[in-house]
Amino acid sequence: DAGVTQSPTHLIKTRGQQVTLRCSPKSGHDTVSWYQQALGQGPQFIFQYYEEEERQRGNFPDRFSGHQFPNYSSELNVNALLLGDSALYLCASSYLDSYEQYFGPGTRLTVT
Amino acid sequence: GNSVTQMEGPVTLSEEAFLTINCTYTATGYPSLFWYVQYPGEGLQLLLKATKADDKGSNKGFEATYRKETTSFHLEKGSVQVSDSAVYFCALSSITGTASKLTFGTGTRLQVTL
Repeated sequence: DAGVTQSPTHLIKTRGQQVTLRCSPKSGHDTVSWYQQALGQGPQFIFQYYEEEERQRGNFPDRFSGHQFPNYSSELNVNALLLGDSALYLCASSYLDSYEQYFGPGTRLTVT
Repeated sequence: GNSVTQMEGPVTLSEEAFLTINCTYTATGYPSLFWYVQYPGEGLQLLLKATKADDKGSNKGFEATYRKETTSFHLEKGSVQVSDSAVYFCALSSITGTASKLTFGTGTRLQVTL
């Protein structure tokens, strides 16, 4: 049984560009959350998707947007990239009514 | 708002030493509390959890007790191994019973030497 998978593993972009990160949840999970982890920091909650709708959102600007597909996979889009967006982006999946969130290995985004 | 404060690292211990990593939290209501571990180059793994006051979470020799009176959830292990070297994150979830956003501490790096 595959766990949470994310693609790509690493990504280098230039300031002002746009990026799309992808996440496939653990089999059977219906809820996907995204987190940003800056170097040396704990993960910060970006948003959560359930039934293709954004269910909760953290303190991130509108440049960060997402989508969930009918198969529960999800995308994170970031527009107008800033140097400060350089971070490890983590996807976590779960059942809606479960405490336990399973994390993927993350996508390392570097903005130059 | 919710917040989690962890002791700063790195923590360096010899194998078989006793480990304590302090964690305190601020939250409204009755949060659930978690410890996650991150090994180099990997994502986060749930280590243990506690969902109500006085609950003790345990896994792989690690333990933590939910202390509401001191708003703490300190991680302990009686005898660490080199393989325990990783970054440990304390976290809380503010909505009990449902998948909710996790609020993390800044992490504590543990290095265990022979």
